[in-house]
Amino acid sequence: EAGVTQFPSHSVIEKGQTVTLRCDPISGHDNLYWYRRVMGKEIKFLLHFVKESKQDESGMPNNRFLAERTGGTYSTLKVQPAELEDSGVYFCASSHGGDYQPQHFGDGTRLSIL
Amino acid sequence: DAKTTQPTSMDCAEGRAANLPCNHSTISGNEYVYWYRQIHSQGPQYIIHGLKNNETNEMASLIITEDRKSSTLILPHATLRDTAVYYCIVSVNMFSGGYNKLIFGAGTRLAVHP
Repeated sequence: EAGVTQFPSHSVIEKGQTVTLRCDPISGHDNLYWYRRVMGKEIKFLLHFVKESKQDESGMPNNRFLAERTGGTYSTLKVQPAELEDSGVYFCASSHGGDYQPQHFGDGTRLSIL
Repeated sequence: DAKTTQPTSMDCAEGRAANLPCNHSTISGNEYVYWYRQIHSQGPQYIIHGLKNNETNEMASLIITEDRKSSTLILPHATLRDTAVYYCIVSVNMFSGGYNKLIFGAGTRLAVHP
């Protein structure tokens, strides 16, 4: 079974530019989550999808961040325009439906804003 | 904020058991204890989870005290590849269907040495 895959693994862009991160969850996983770790801080929850529906966006930092999951398969996280404080590692995780199913994480996208 | 407290760091000799403690004194009756680990530059890796009974899988054992206010993750025969940051997370289902938002703390940095 293929794990959660994220693309790109690294991205370096300039302040003000746009970047789109992609996450392919494990096949059959209805739940998809985004987390991030900014420099020196702990991993923080951003948002959660059930299939194509956003269930919880409470962790999204501001309206420069837009997440989508069209068709309930892969997801994208767009940052527009990027700011210096957006630098960090963005993780995606997925899980089966059903109570207390563990989340399985990808290796993240390391985003650097110059 | 994380609902758990863990030691900042621990050492373990290769081949010996590693016992990682976690305090979660404010845990509620429907909250599970999850353990993840993060090996350098990888995404968090699910290890094990439990509610009140002890659990064991191919990676580790989880011992939860009877009052559920603390737990211990046991790696029975630590290897150098077990060197990682270990996170103890208390999580509750946010709604029926398995959504559980993970709140990461700083974790315990485990160093396994020869």
